[in-house]
Amino acid sequence: EVQLVESGGGLVQPGRSLKLSCVASGFTFNNYWMTWIRQAPGKGLEWVASITNTGGSTYYPDSVKGRFTISRDNAKSTLYLQMNSLRSEDTATYYCTRDSWDFDYWGQGVMVTVSS
Amino acid sequence: DIVLTQSPALAVSLGQRATISCKTNQNVDYYGNSYMHWYQQKPGQQPKLLIYLASNLASGIPARFSGRGSGTDFTLTIDPVEADDTATYYCQQSRNLRTFGGGTKLELK
Repeated sequence: EVQLVESGGGLVQPGRSLKLSCVASGFTFNNYWMTWIRQAPGKGLEWVASITNTGGSTYYPDSVKGRFTISRDNAKSTLYLQMNSLRSEDTATYYCTRDSWDFDYWGQGVMVTVSS
Repeated sequence: DIVLTQSPALAVSLGQRATISCKTNQNVDYYGNSYMHWYQQKPGQQPKLLIYLASNLASGIPARFSGRGSGTDFTLTIDPVEADDTATYYCQQSRNLRTFGGGTKLELK
């Protein structure tokens, strides 16, 4: 059974940093791209970052480029999202997903609140 | 950037057909595949994949759900609609990076 379990969320002040983790199981992690997606309270889904199966390439939308960094440790089957210079508009539930062009598996999500 | 446009809401009666549309500002076809996918999200839950590559039913999804389209115009159809189908539906493209439509909230009349 495929499982994606996120952790690391919480309340953080504007301008500070936070690092999310996602532990994957039930599939061969290093065969798949992985992607972070977020959803602000009461809003729609927003793509945040993607990484190739080897970790050799990463992709971001303009809204987070230069502030967020996606990475992975294939030996630990773990995906990461380092979030720097956080803003109030980064407040959202962050989902870890397996990326097969579509997002066929999703974690339960982890809440990040950016507020003073 | 590829922009996906969905109508915000749709109301249908139980047992009737619901058709949800998604229009893109650029072609999402590539080498015979349409890189368009559909998700269902219920309140408090993570999204669930329904349809991949425009018309393929994801594992475990009932045949009441179907998808069609190509190029820049896509539809998700639910026929017949059941009470459990009330949710928000999102389209998503993967032809160029990744983007989502704004979502369509399906309600019962």
